[in-house]
Amino acid sequence: ELKVEQNPLFLSMQEGKNYTIYCNYSTTSDRLYWYRQDPGKSLESLFVLLSNGAVKQEGRLMASLDTKARLSTLHITAAVHDLSATYFCAVDSNYQLIWGAGTKLIIKP
Amino acid sequence: EAGVVQSPRYKIIEKKQPVAFWCNPISGHNTLYWYLQNLGQGPELLIRYENEEAVDDSQLPKDRFSAERLKGVDSTLKIQPAELGDSAVYLCASSLRTGGQETQYFGPGTRLLVL
Repeated sequence: ELKVEQNPLFLSMQEGKNYTIYCNYSTTSDRLYWYRQDPGKSLESLFVLLSNGAVKQEGRLMASLDTKARLSTLHITAAVHDLSATYFCAVDSNYQLIWGAGTKLIIKP
Repeated sequence: EAGVVQSPRYKIIEKKQPVAFWCNPISGHNTLYWYLQNLGQGPELLIRYENEEAVDDSQLPKDRFSAERLKGVDSTLKIQPAELGDSAVYLCASSLRTGGQETQYFGPGTRLLVL
């Protein structure tokens, strides 16, 4: 059974700082997704990572995938308040997404 | 382009009552998903449709939950009778599989409260 673990589950940080969210998964997969969810809102797709070594960047967010280590990271550079949200990783298993529990990120001005 | 549409957005019912949720996916998306999301957790798949066929309903509690996707477009999810533990957000998502890549696009969800 595929399991997806994120850490940390909660992160409070100051604006301008850098930090990384980790997503570990238990069995082989070659597709990993990052989503963002604002309070009371639905899920917004951020990145799709399809191969080992894949790196994608959008603004202050950068995601990477290491399929050998079964690890993806979401790196936040010089955080700003608008990035406060819950971030989920999800791993594809036979076209079914297995979701992490989410990382609630609070960025203080 | 319109996104995934769901209704109602909020629903409050008493336990043992029936409830139904509706989803209109993005035009042209052949795959449709229903998820349940509890507070502070990730979504949990209930059922996946490929066109009008339910290809994965292994996690749907079939004693009280049912779903249909007539004509392979809109879908409804029904609970009868509802229980207190069914209080959650019900998310609908759709996707179009092209090559090896597929991104699920989510609707705003229906927030259900069972009293």
